[in-house]
Amino acid sequence: NAGVTQTPKFQVLKTGQSMTLQCAQDMNHNSMYWYRQDPGMGLRLIYYSASEGTTDKGEVPNGYNVSRLNKREFSLRLESAAPSQTSVYFCASSGETGLYGYTFGSGTRLTVV
Amino acid sequence: KNEVEQSPQNLTAQEGEFITINCSYSVGISALHWLQQHPGGGIVSLFMLSSGKKKHGRLIATINIQEKHSSLHITASHPRDSAVYICAVWGVRGAQKLVFGQGTRLTINP
Repeated sequence: NAGVTQTPKFQVLKTGQSMTLQCAQDMNHNSMYWYRQDPGMGLRLIYYSASEGTTDKGEVPNGYNVSRLNKREFSLRLESAAPSQTSVYFCASSGETGLYGYTFGSGTRLTVV
Repeated sequence: KNEVEQSPQNLTAQEGEFITINCSYSVGISALHWLQQHPGGGIVSLFMLSSGKKKHGRLIATINIQEKHSSLHITASHPRDSAVYICAVWGVRGAQKLVFGQGTRLTINP
């Protein structure tokens, strides 16, 4: 089925461990995004990629890195996880102007202990 | 002050009631999205509006660009409509990304 696929769905990390969240879309979208969602905070943009080969910081980029591997894939890396990064992470993609086809992945629930 | 404000933050109603959720924004935009998130679930785009009104089943979304205001209406509400509804605007100051409201938590009791 067409859409945005995120892996893993759940993850528990110890403080200081690293991990990469994977995201892939098969809708030929140019733009991809990583968000985190925390209780009472709404969705906050971590990083986005307006097109293959470009990435830009969002509202809360500290502690994260991203890679736009190709047009389909956009990964989010936590180099040294901290309890403050416990959150639900969503990947999303959209068409060239962002106006159409805005599609979210199913989310990754990450707990850092 | 947030650039996107939703009201109410929480709304509880009885099955069958007509529901209205409001969204106001403070800057020029290219388009506005209404999103739905069920408890523990993913996020689904319901509507994208740049002007006027759109209808899908029991859901109606309107936008008034001059007044910088949008509403999401649900007719004949049902418990399965219980979810968080999020307003998001695109193109603030030309930026190629969405800016989100805080969401409205809707509970429909049988």
